[in-house]
Amino acid sequence: DTGVSQNPRHKITKRGQNVTFRCDPISEHNRLYWYRQTLGQGPEFLTYFQNEAQLEKSRLLSDRFSAERPKGSFSTLEIQRTEQGDSAMYLCASSLGGGARLYGYTFGSGTRLTVV
Amino acid sequence: KNEVEQSPQNLTAQEGEFITINCSYSVGISALHWLQQHPGGGIVSLFMLSSGKKKHGRLIATINIQEKHSSLHITASHPRDSAVYICAVRSIGGADGLTFGKGTHLIIQP
Repeated sequence: DTGVSQNPRHKITKRGQNVTFRCDPISEHNRLYWYRQTLGQGPEFLTYFQNEAQLEKSRLLSDRFSAERPKGSFSTLEIQRTEQGDSAMYLCASSLGGGARLYGYTFGSGTRLTVV
Repeated sequence: KNEVEQSPQNLTAQEGEFITINCSYSVGISALHWLQQHPGGGIVSLFMLSSGKKKHGRLIATINIQEKHSSLHITASHPRDSAVYICAVRSIGGADGLTFGKGTHLIIQP
């Protein structure tokens, strides 16, 4: 297992276009998280899945954002009608377990989105 | 006010110095993470703490639950330790994701 994989690494898109990012977690991890990080700031939580169920969504996740994890394995994050303010690093992380029992919290290298 | 505050924001030190990075938080937590982020974005989890102290190589992390404070120490610092160090907490009863500090940008000069 090579850890958490995110694709693409970089994406440049024109304002108004739709973009989709993919995250492949560590195979035995049941939890998958999406974060967004803007320049000079710490990451901010967007949403997380336990298996295929999306259990929590931050208010940062506007209606233009949607995330799926259809088979409880990889996840996609789609941004519709991108805006310049969406430019950020989008980070994915995965872990095993939940609550007080949380193991192996591992981040991917991120997808850097630039909206021009 | 951020739920997670780190200090200092920036730290430049000479190789070999003992480094301390502090993290204070304002909410009840189930766990605290120390993370290392290198240029280009990759984040590595260094420690996950819920009490006491952990040590890995030259890195030591401590947490005081009563005082809502944690520290990350680096002994015999080296230029390859240069990175952004981020404190993140899992709140009790909140969203299951982490809440992050803004990070401490550490530069170790040879």
